Amino acid sequence: DTAVSQTPKYLVTQMGNDKSIKCEQNLGHDTMYWYKQDSKKFLKIMFSYNNKELIINETVPNRFSPKSPDKAHLNLHINSLELGDSAVYFCASSQEFLTGGFGGELFFGEGSRLTVL
Amino acid sequence: DQQVKQNSPSLSVQEGRISILNCDYTNSMFDYFLWYKKYPAEGPTFLISISSIKDKNEDGRFTVFLNKSAKHLSLHIVPSQPGDSAVYFCAASDGSSNTGKLIFGQGTTLQVKP
Repeated sequence: DTAVSQTPKYLVTQMGNDKSIKCEQNLGHDTMYWYKQDSKKFLKIMFSYNNKELIINETVPNRFSPKSPDKAHLNLHINSLELGDSAVYFCASSQEFLTGGFGGELFFGEGSRLTVL
Repeated sequence: DQQVKQNSPSLSVQEGRISILNCDYTNSMFDYFLWYKKYPAEGPTFLISISSIKDKNEDGRFTVFLNKSAKHLSLHIVPSQPGDSAVYFCAASDGSSNTGKLIFGQGTTLQVKP
């Protein structure tokens, strides 16, 4: 019974296409995130949502649009894919809304490896 | 501008010995630090954390040390076991930002040899 699940795990597509990655958590958490792990292996935050409200929106191209239909789901849609979008995308969730005094841990999904040809 | 750095991309130790993984940060506003462990084809999993009001936190074989003046933290694993072989990520958070944003290092691959 996977706590944070992402689909698909692997995605190979052509430049210019539009694709989506879905994420669901069954932990009852209020906050969900998208992180990107690039070729240099850094994990960088892209977005976070708390109870369907956007909290963090890092400097990410407008081609990336997160959508949270409810607090258990956070999907990532990418338009007009570029070669540089190739990466592993991780969804995560945490129990608490992270106010001053971070105390919560993130629970990550297994990642979705996106390859743009 | 990487605010959290793990300067050793890899580390190899013998089973039973101590593993020491290091992490440096630049932002003095960071007040919470975490270590995550990642196996291939899996997501990172939380290992241990430390608040900036402490200088040490221990959980079984894992101990994290924080040196705020040096902006340095380390993870000690004693004794190391082959199952500890994984990528270890250091992460930091600025609680005052009220966003819960975690800044990760690039990871250190630990190999524990039987």
